[in-house]
Amino acid sequence: QSVLTQPPSVSGAPGQRVSISCTGTSSNIGAGFDVHWYQHLPGTAPKLLIYGNIFRPSGVPDRFSGSKSGTSASLAITGLQADDEADYYCQSYDSSLTGAVFGGGTKLTVL
Amino acid sequence: QMKLEESGGGVVQPGRSLRLSCAASDSTFSDHGMHWVRQAPGKGLEWVALIWYDGSTKQYADSVRGRFTISRDNYKNTLYLQMNRLRAEDTGVYYCARAALTTLDASFDNWGQGTLVTVSS
Repeated sequence: QSVLTQPPSVSGAPGQRVSISCTGTSSNIGAGFDVHWYQHLPGTAPKLLIYGNIFRPSGVPDRFSGSKSGTSASLAITGLQADDEADYYCQSYDSSLTGAVFGGGTKLTVL
Repeated sequence: QMKLEESGGGVVQPGRSLRLSCAASDSTFSDHGMHWVRQAPGKGLEWVALIWYDGSTKQYADSVRGRFTISRDNYKNTLYLQMNRLRAEDTGVYYCARAALTTLDASFDNWGQGTLVTVSS
């Protein structure tokens, strides 16, 4: 059971928009700690996709966007492409656990 | 961009020890906090441990506290994870990752390719 809750899977057709939610509590996201998002393909290193809730590292397309409100955050992907198919994880910090925490991961399938 | 390369993984019996290393390609290593993150087979990412840039602060996940020790050698640009009293549930790919900022909630902006640890008799 992960501290941050994500849907196990989402799907969409090429060109469509999907959103992945990340729900936390008052000791992590709700406490004001930043939320970050990672894209992970099996057998490769995870890649930072969104940092500081809303910012994209250099090289990440603007099709990816992040938002945060209260105890939740979301990752939106517009104009879905086949190579967006991957696992996506949210991450933050938890003051009760005194450590970083990840969501359980969401598998994105491009239909 | 700084490259990170893990090593030291392998097959080990339950109850035994293993030390992982993560070599960084340049001296900016000493400016950044570093993490270990693992992924068990078929499972998601799990944070393991953090060490600040100067080694002054260390934090551990409840699942490894008291058994694992994170350390670093800034002269060798290398991060370590000493894993003692290993259990079957410690099996997985272990990644080292760089903290982008010196804050507790910093993102992990640079990752290694991972090293596989298998705990089995």
